[in-house]
Amino acid sequence: EAQVTQNPRYLITVTGKKLTVTCSQNMNHEYMSWYRQDPGLGLRQIYYSMNVEVTDKGDVPEGYKVSRKEKRNFPLILESPSPNQTSLYFCASRGDRGVNTGELFFGEGSRLTVL
Amino acid sequence: SQKIEQNSEALNIQEGKTATLTCNYTNYSPAYLQWYRQDPGRGPVFLLLIRENEKEKRKERLKVTFDTTLKQSLFHITASQPADSATYLCALDRGYSTLTFGKGTMLLVSP
Repeated sequence: EAQVTQNPRYLITVTGKKLTVTCSQNMNHEYMSWYRQDPGLGLRQIYYSMNVEVTDKGDVPEGYKVSRKEKRNFPLILESPSPNQTSLYFCASRGDRGVNTGELFFGEGSRLTVL
Repeated sequence: SQKIEQNSEALNIQEGKTATLTCNYTNYSPAYLQWYRQDPGRGPVFLLLIRENEKEKRKERLKVTFDTTLKQSLFHITASQPADSATYLCALDRGYSTLTFGKGTMLLVSP
């Protein structure tokens, strides 16, 4: 089954404790992206990756890091989480839009609470 | 920067009626526009894409229009059902690198 898998789905942590949210896709997609979703603000892009070893900042990259060492994985790293990073996080992937509709496939989300 | 406006208030309609959701944008016209459905606590799911040279696209009970002059897309669900209740997101292409999402409109379909 084609899917984007995120872990953990739920996490409560404390300020300053480094954490990583993993994301894996099994569709051989080149493009992957991280979004955060907050009430009243909608989905905002954090980082994206066009392919292996290629990453770029989205609209709200501060406080986050990413890496793309393999095509299927795109982890989101919070080196020193702060309460304003409490949010619902989504990983998404997309294949070559010349081939398909260019639709984004989203994971189920990771709800992060930073105390 | 590109701004996207979707009705912030929930849309309440009766089962069987047609729901119409609006997506307005400013600045440049995107090459394409997408609509997604999102259920509470779940990831968005792609519904339809419409390109700048297309005026209308249909898929089963769904219809999307795209008016680049008005800078507006309309999303219609005909013969709506309670199962259609969800938040619907409009997303605009900003080039291959990214999509910009609207904040979404919640649709509530009453039996």
